[in-house]
Amino acid sequence: GQQLNQSPQSMFIQEGEDVSMNCTSSSIFNTWLWYKQDPGEGPVLLIALYKAGELTSNGRLTAQFGITRKDSFLNISASIPSDVGIYFCAGQSEIRGSQGNLIFGKGTKLSVKP
Amino acid sequence: DAGVIQSPRHEVTEMGQEVTLRCKPISGHNSLFWYRQTMMRGLELLIYFNNNVPIDDSGMPEDRFSAKMPNASFSTLKIQPSEPRDSAVYFCASSFEVKDTQYFGPGTRLTVL
Repeated sequence: GQQLNQSPQSMFIQEGEDVSMNCTSSSIFNTWLWYKQDPGEGPVLLIALYKAGELTSNGRLTAQFGITRKDSFLNISASIPSDVGIYFCAGQSEIRGSQGNLIFGKGTKLSVKP
Repeated sequence: DAGVIQSPRHEVTEMGQEVTLRCKPISGHNSLFWYRQTMMRGLELLIYFNNNVPIDDSGMPEDRFSAKMPNASFSTLKIQPSEPRDSAVYFCASSFEVKDTQYFGPGTRLTVL
């Protein structure tokens, strides 16, 4: 089945640092999504990407839909303490009948450097 | 506006018992999704409905799991009998149409002893 490889699995940030994470897939997706999950809550959508090559920003967050349609990255600039949490990428298939199936990466856990 | 509502938020039960999780989607959304989240497997889609009709249940682990959507504002996920390996956080999500952005509920944390 379709799988997403998300990296890194975890990272520590210091306030003000830029953060980068990415997802790769063996399959093509027609939509890439980035979600953030806080403890005890459900994932919340941050950015949605619909076209290969698309670069989209949401405040300090920037995400890109890879040209091959098999990868995406998310950057966070000038991180702040409330950025901690788990970030998930998700791909949505173009296969008719499977358009509701979101395939999620395993997540990148952002923590504050001690 | 209210988001996706799930109940209960926490459920602790003993092996063999029946468990029912409930979801109320966002009003006006036609698609509803049930996910399970575990440390080992991450977030997995179990089943989704469109206009109250199950479209894809290939993610349902086994016959012990069943889901219904009797009307546009309510869905249940039932596990009977429950087993310790069913312990996980179960999320419900809804979207306007199948391809549209999915909005997640807060989840139900299930512990089966």
